Amino acid sequence: DAKTTQPPSMDCAEGRAANLPCNHSTISGNEYVYWYRQIHSQGPQYIIHGLKNNETNEMASLIITEDRKSSTLILPHATLRDTAVYYCIVRGNQGGKLIFGQGTELSVKP
Amino acid sequence: DGGITQSPKYLFRKEGQNVTLSCEQNLNHDAMYWYRQDPGQGLRLIYYSQIVNDFQKGDIAEGYSVSREKKESFPLTVTSAQKNPTAFYLCASEDRWNTEAFFGQGTRLTVV
Repeated sequence: DAKTTQPPSMDCAEGRAANLPCNHSTISGNEYVYWYRQIHSQGPQYIIHGLKNNETNEMASLIITEDRKSSTLILPHATLRDTAVYYCIVRGNQGGKLIFGQGTELSVKP
Repeated sequence: DGGITQSPKYLFRKEGQNVTLSCEQNLNHDAMYWYRQDPGQGLRLIYYSQIVNDFQKGDIAEGYSVSREKKESFPLTVTSAQKNPTAFYLCASEDRWNTEAFFGQGTRLTVV
């Protein structure tokens, strides 16, 4: 599975959009980009995943560049409850192990 | 309701004792995982299983053992050979198409 690089921490003002970047320059053609988040002392929660098209659900939007070497998770209107560690993971869509990196610690401030 | 359950939430053991952490899911998922998390750190993979009666070592399997005799159950035994067993342990399951992994609430193990 391809390696990902994320900034260790970010701040965001409450009510503003939070844009979390992820670099995955070695991603292969059949690998998807997944995002999870972990709120303190809880199990991680799935957010969204995509292959090459942009994706949106009730939680977030995922923008993947045309060359697929990087992506951005967008929380359109961040709230204090969005404070968490966000993990970007690249892996195939069948089998294989689920590996977490260090993630980005997002702090949403009033 | 479908879900994944870990028990107990808190566990205390004396040094030198083996202890087994429970993980049960009723989501009909093929794959199950065990992770360890230390304070301020990310999740590290201990063991994973993609099908009944089969499992593979993760990055930090030493001092741990697992079994997968039933699809819905993936217990983790922390043996006395694990040098620093005190940690937060998380179990997860997902379907064979890696759609979305579901996590339990975790077991916080303290060895004294």
